[in-house]
Amino acid sequence: AQSVTQPDIHITVSEGASLELRCNYSYGATPYLFWYVQSPGQGLQLLLKYFSGDTLVQGIKGFEAEFKRSQSSFNLRKPSVHWSDAAEYFCAVGAGGGSQGNLIFGKGTKLSVKP
Amino acid sequence: EPEVTQTPSHQVTQMGQEVILRCVPISNHLYFYWYRQILGQKVEFLVSFYNNEISEKSEIFDDQFSVERPDGSNFTLKIRSTKLEDSAMYFCASSEWWSAEKLFFGSGTQLSVL
Repeated sequence: AQSVTQPDIHITVSEGASLELRCNYSYGATPYLFWYVQSPGQGLQLLLKYFSGDTLVQGIKGFEAEFKRSQSSFNLRKPSVHWSDAAEYFCAVGAGGGSQGNLIFGKGTKLSVKP
Repeated sequence: EPEVTQTPSHQVTQMGQEVILRCVPISNHLYFYWYRQILGQKVEFLVSFYNNEISEKSEIFDDQFSVERPDGSNFTLKIRSTKLEDSAMYFCASSEWWSAEKLFFGSGTQLSVL
């Protein structure tokens, strides 16, 4: 069965520092992978997605993620964190190969940003 | 940017009561979904809906749950007889086509069952 693991429940970084949020997945075929962000009181906003092609994908707000099949990972990165990036981040895999709306989510990583 | 609207943002109910959570999807979207997130746990898929019928549902979506598109703009989730374990944040989502590529999520309804 498909699954997503986000090993870090809570991460704190200083403003301006780099960020990497980890995501590991389990999926039998080529995965369709997503990162969502949820700010307090807001819905889930799509940051970026990987379906095929270039394994380094760029998203909104300066985020990028790299798909590594050998490690079953899809880690999210940002070179310089801003205070407004404080939020909860969810990695997800498309249960139907991305062609359906049934997403399997990780438990999320809460990001705090120190001034 | 268009958005999915959910009402109410918070709902408190007594165990055994019926609740209806409401969603207004983006106007040109045809596919609709409900997800939920129990506190401290993962966001979980409940159901997808298209052309006035359920397309797919998870094992969570048992007979206590139902969905409906009562008119051209609303999409509702009904829980017939709420249990304590139904307490969760419920997210509605919609998409223009049958793909997770462009799901738009609402901000959620926090349901508390007492």
